[in-house]
Amino acid sequence: AQSVTQLDSQVPVFEEAPVELRCNYSSSVSVYLFWYVQYPNQGLQLLLKYLSGSTLVESINGFEAEFNKSQTSFHLRKPSVHISDTAEYFCAVTALSYNTDKLIFGTGTRLQVFP
Amino acid sequence: EAGVTQFPSHSVIEKGQTVTLRCDPISGHDNLYWYRRVMGKEIKFLLHFVKESKQDESGMPNNRFLAERTGGTYSTLKVQPAELEDSGVYFCASSPEPGQGANTEAFFGQGTRLTVV
Repeated sequence: AQSVTQLDSQVPVFEEAPVELRCNYSSSVSVYLFWYVQYPNQGLQLLLKYLSGSTLVESINGFEAEFNKSQTSFHLRKPSVHISDTAEYFCAVTALSYNTDKLIFGTGTRLQVFP
Repeated sequence: EAGVTQFPSHSVIEKGQTVTLRCDPISGHDNLYWYRRVMGKEIKFLLHFVKESKQDESGMPNNRFLAERTGGTYSTLKVQPAELEDSGVYFCASSPEPGQGANTEAFFGQGTRLTVV
C-alpha cells in the first residue's frame, strides 16, 4: 500500500519569495509521483510528474520538484512566487502496476501568496 | 474540446435522501475514475471504470454508494440513503489509457460539492 504525507496544510508567503511545499511518501513498490494544483473554483490540474529518468522535473510555470528516493520525498519548489500561484497543491503517487492506476493523494497544502 | 464535466456543482440534501452525481468524461476516454475529498482530508479513490466495466471498486465506502457507467460514456454515482459523513467534494477524472505513464494523464472535473444536513 502507498501513503502520502503533506505536513504543511497552509503556507503563507509574500510575492516574489521562494517557496517549498513538502511531500513524503511511503510505498513497498516503485511509484510514479505527481503534483496536482487546484485553483479557486476549478478542478484539479496536473502540474508535473516524475516517471523515470532525471530526478528533477519542471512545470511550464516555473515550479520544479525533485524525486529523492533515499528520503522518499518529492518536494515542490518555486524560486519566486506570484499572486496567481495562490491555490491548493496536492502531492500524489500511483503504483507501477498494470492492474491499478489509482492515485493516492496527500491532504493538500494551501499556498497563499500575499502582495 | 470539452473537459470532464460534472453535475451538479453543488448539492445540499437532507440525511436519508438520495442524490445522484453525474460525470461526463472527455470524449473517447475509456477510463473513468471517481474520487472523494472529505473536508480537510486527502482526496480518496472510490472506483475506476474501463468503459462500462468496474476495474477497481476497492474505495467504495459501503453499499449506499452505487456507480454506473452504462454504454461506457457518462457515469453516475448515487448515494442512497445519504448520511452526514457523505458530505464532501466528489471528483471525477478520465484518461485515454490506464496507468499514469508517460503518455497518459488523468483529467479532472471541477467536482461536485455535496452537503448532507
